[in-house]
Amino acid sequence: EAGVTQFPSHSVIEKGQTVTLRCDPISGHDNLYWYRRVMGKEIKFLLHFVKESKQDESGMPNNRFLAERTGGTYSTLKVQPAELEDSGVYFCASSQPLADRRAYEQFFGPGTRLTVL
Amino acid sequence: AQSVTQLDSQVPVFEEAPVELRCNYSSSVSVYLFWYVQYPNQGLQLLLKYLSGSTLVKGINGFEAEFNKSQTSFHLRKPSVHISDTAEYFCAVDNFNKFYFGSGTKLNVKP
Repeated sequence: EAGVTQFPSHSVIEKGQTVTLRCDPISGHDNLYWYRRVMGKEIKFLLHFVKESKQDESGMPNNRFLAERTGGTYSTLKVQPAELEDSGVYFCASSQPLADRRAYEQFFGPGTRLTVL
Repeated sequence: AQSVTQLDSQVPVFEEAPVELRCNYSSSVSVYLFWYVQYPNQGLQLLLKYLSGSTLVKGINGFEAEFNKSQTSFHLRKPSVHISDTAEYFCAVDNFNKFYFGSGTKLNVKP
């Protein structure tokens, strides 16, 4: 079974440019999450999708960030325009429907390292 | 609000020595607790989790953790580490499907 995949693995852009990160969750996982780690600090929650709906977007830093999950499969996270402080590693995670809480686990992708110059 | 504190940013240890990575959390509600590991150039991998039941949780690669509600701790231990355990370890608490992570502990196992 394929795990969570993210593309690209690295992205270097200049301030003011636009970048789109993609996440493909594990097949059948309704829940999809985005997290970000900035400069070796803690990994912070950005938002949570249940299928195509945004369940919780309380961690999104500002309106330069736009996340979508059309069709409830893969998700994209767009940063427009990018700022220097957006640099970091963006992780995507997915989990099964939560009917059985005992099986609960978030499966993480390898992350996308974003550098804004 | 939830928060997770990993008291040590780096832990150097010699191979075959025991290790403990500390994690404290703050929460006013029941919690689910997790330890994840990130090997170089890889994603986060689940080591173990506490959801309920026995407070001593065993995970993969010989790691275990003990949930202590009174001390709000979930320390990770391994009795004998290997070079291959060199990685960064993250403690996390789940609050209604939102994970709160600590800042990570880099475990450096020396020969």
